[in-house]
Amino acid sequence: QVQLLQSGAEVQKPGASVKVSCKASGYTFTSYAIHWVRQAPGQSLEWMALINAGNGDTKYSQSFQGRVTVTRDTSASTVYMELSSLRSEDTAVYYCARDGAPTVVWGHMDVWGKGTTVTVSS
Amino acid sequence: EIVLTQSPGTLSLSPGERATLSCRASQSVSRSLGWYQQKPGRAPRLLIYDASTRATGVPARFSGSGSGTDFTLTISSLEPEDFAVYYCQQRSNWPPLTFGGGTKVEIK
Repeated sequence: QVQLLQSGAEVQKPGASVKVSCKASGYTFTSYAIHWVRQAPGQSLEWMALINAGNGDTKYSQSFQGRVTVTRDTSASTVYMELSSLRSEDTAVYYCARDGAPTVVWGHMDVWGKGTTVTVSS
Repeated sequence: EIVLTQSPGTLSLSPGERATLSCRASQSVSRSLGWYQQKPGRAPRLLIYDASTRATGVPARFSGSGSGTDFTLTISSLEPEDFAVYYCQQRSNWPPLTFGGGTKVEIK
């Protein structure tokens, strides 16, 4: 079945970077884009970025002012999200989610990973 | 950036009752709006896309309506597993994709 398997929880210090992975299985990896969405404790969902797994094109939210970078490794069917210059407000659960349409980016997410908790604390 | 405002913040209802959730956009999103359900400790689940189309496997008691700036998610008769938080999300004008603040449907 279609699955997105995310890497484990992380604890990082302010100013550091974190890299979260998302391994896809059960479908043709290069046919769908992958989104990254985060959720701070008790808060709503916040869209961060997207990568077209086929051609590598990316889109980012300006809210992160260049701190986020998304890459992919097609040989490993894996997408990576790196967030730099971490601050306490970045403490959240980070989700990867598949875009719901093949080939073209649709903008809704039909399959989600279980989430990766990132804690930023000194 | 399109801002989505959901109301009410919390809806207290009993199983079997009808739930009506609202999502208002700061500018027209046509019908490019979806709804997600999230249970505690779980990832969101896509319920509705394009304002009114149920995603695969979503029960018929869930329905969506609206266009432009005003949208509604209706649960016709609440089942115990429907008590959760619901988010709307627009894909009309992005980046960024944006979500509403959520409506919690709780057991009365």
